[in-house]
Amino acid sequence: EAGVTQFPSHSVIEKGQTVTLRCDPISGHDNLYWYRRVMGKEIKFLLHFVKESKQDESGMPNNRFLAERTGGTYSTLKVQPAELEDSGVYFCASSYRQGAFGETQYFGPGTRLLVL
Amino acid sequence: QKEVEQDPGPLSVPEGAIVSLNCTYSNSAFQYFMWYRQYSRKGPELLMYTYSSGNKEDGRFTAQVDKSSKYISLFIRDSQPSDSATYLCAIGSGSEKLVFGKGTKLTVNP
Repeated sequence: EAGVTQFPSHSVIEKGQTVTLRCDPISGHDNLYWYRRVMGKEIKFLLHFVKESKQDESGMPNNRFLAERTGGTYSTLKVQPAELEDSGVYFCASSYRQGAFGETQYFGPGTRLLVL
Repeated sequence: QKEVEQDPGPLSVPEGAIVSLNCTYSNSAFQYFMWYRQYSRKGPELLMYTYSSGNKEDGRFTAQVDKSSKYISLFIRDSQPSDSATYLCAIGSGSEKLVFGKGTKLTVNP
């Protein structure tokens, strides 16, 4: 079974540009999460989808970040316009069932974003 | 105060050593406790998972939780060079988001 996949693996853009990150969760997983690790800091939660609905977006830093999950399958995270402080590694994770207590989250390899 | 504190190391040990990794947390609402292992350029991979205070063993790995002290530990026995990675504690509550420690980078030298 394929794991969580993310695309691209790396992205280097200039400040002010737009970048779109994609995550394909494990097939059949209802829950999809986005996390981010800024250099020198811990991995931090951004948001949580249950199927196509946003369950919790309390970690989204500001309105330059837009996440979507089309048809409850793959998800995209768009940063527009990108700022220097958006640089970091963006992880996607998925888990099987909504509401199942402490359901295991499986992580993708991450997208390394560098904003110059 | 951070919700989860973890000494980032780095930690370097000889092969065969017992490794002890630790995290403390501040919120008593946290209910489940995980250790993830992350190899360079890879995503975090779940290693151990526990709900309750006490010990949980899986092969060479033992996870320990002390809810009264808000302290969690991961012990690695007979450490191997292949254990060299960053170890992240992650803690969850009723909401499904995980709160991570910074991670401890471990190197096991042959």
